[in-house]
Amino acid sequence: KAGVTQTPRYLIKTRGQQVTLSCSPISGHRSVSWYQQTPGQGLQFLFEYFSETQRNKGNFPGRFSGRQFSNSRSEMNVSTLELGDSALYLCASSSRESYNEQFFGPGTRLTVL
Amino acid sequence: GIQVEQSPPDLILQEGANSTLRCNFSDSVNNLQWFHQNPWGQLINLFYIPSGTKQNGRLSATTVATERYSLLYISSSQTTDSGVYFCAVNTGNQFYFGTGTSLTVIP
Repeated sequence: KAGVTQTPRYLIKTRGQQVTLSCSPISGHRSVSWYQQTPGQGLQFLFEYFSETQRNKGNFPGRFSGRQFSNSRSEMNVSTLELGDSALYLCASSSRESYNEQFFGPGTRLTVL
Repeated sequence: GIQVEQSPPDLILQEGANSTLRCNFSDSVNNLQWFHQNPWGQLINLFYIPSGTKQNGRLSATTVATERYSLLYISSSQTTDSGVYFCAVNTGNQFYFGTGTSLTVIP
């Protein structure tokens, strides 16, 4: 089985712009979760989607949003980028329940200038 | 939310040495996973271990859920074991990650 894929792998944006990141889960997995990793805050949960519905949400501002499509692929959008949004964004998929074993993609490294 | 503490924060070993990494958590959990983050940032699954003991080659892990801790053992360490090791726990809503243990294995 192919693993979790994320595109793009690297991205450079300027303050005020918006960005969309994509994640394709392992075939058959219906849960997709997104995480932000920064040196200062570590790995933090953004949100989780299951069957096209946001099931859980972390403590991030409304500028961070996401969606999931019927084929379980997910996108994450960040609007009005700030310098502090520079981070590694990781997505993970699991088969059903959010507490099942999670498998991570390679991440998208976002730099905001 | 649940607190996850990992120790030690940093560890330097000579190749061939053994080590034990610890993960303490503050509440009951449904799931606990250990990951190794490679230099490119990808999290590699090591163990899915909400309770009990598992072994995979030179690595093994034990979770004592009633006492709220997990241990990751690395035996006969190799330079390729270098990197950051994370434990993550889930209470049913989301995963909470520890701050990691940075391991450096020197030849």
